[in-house]
Amino acid sequence: QLQLQESGSGLVKPSQTLSLTCAVSGGSVNSDNYSWNWIRQPPGKGLEWIGYIYRSGRTYYNPSLKSRVTISLDLSENHFSLKMTSVTAADTAVYFCARAPPSDYYFDFWGQGTLVTVSS
Amino acid sequence: DIQMTQSPSSVSASVGDRVTITCRASESISRWLAWYQQKAGTAPKLLIYGASRLQTGVPSRFSGSGSGTEFTLTIDSLQPEDIATYYCQQANSFPRLTFGGGTKVEIK
Repeated sequence: QLQLQESGSGLVKPSQTLSLTCAVSGGSVNSDNYSWNWIRQPPGKGLEWIGYIYRSGRTYYNPSLKSRVTISLDLSENHFSLKMTSVTAADTAVYFCARAPPSDYYFDFWGQGTLVTVSS
Repeated sequence: DIQMTQSPSSVSASVGDRVTITCRASESISRWLAWYQQKAGTAPKLLIYGASRLQTGVPSRFSGSGSGTEFTLTIDSLQPEDIATYYCQQANSFPRLTFGGGTKVEIK
């Protein structure tokens, strides 16, 4: 059974960089044509898709976040990562990693999520 | 961006009732719609994709229908374990994937 697990800094100061990693087990990030995604949810609010990466390294980002976001992939470690620069309090959220099937843009496996708080 | 509007924002029903949640898209998304269930403190779980396809392992009391701009999620015979917030998501307008605002389902 595929499992995803987020890890990273839970508290980030304003204007600094948020860094998270999603470890994948029970499967490979090198699998054919699956995409590996980041999605976030501010406390008490709805879901926002951040972006994804394919095993080829090709990335797509939500245009509203594109200028601040980088997603990368480590095939040897079987994980993928998110970096978001210049964070503000509005970036406080639970961050989820998730997988999407080939040629589809819905999410069939999710990590449990990790809360990132932006505060000085 | 395509706006996804869910109604109602919350619903209270008795065990065994049928519950229907509506999701409207601001423009046509064909059948590129998914439904998720999110229980408190947990990650969303995929229930339905392609508007009406049941994800493996999801109970058959859940069903989805619709196309274009109007979609419904139906829970036949509500069970206590169905207490959750339900979200729709459009998968038509990539890379501008968007979710609905959520519908909270409670037991009366």
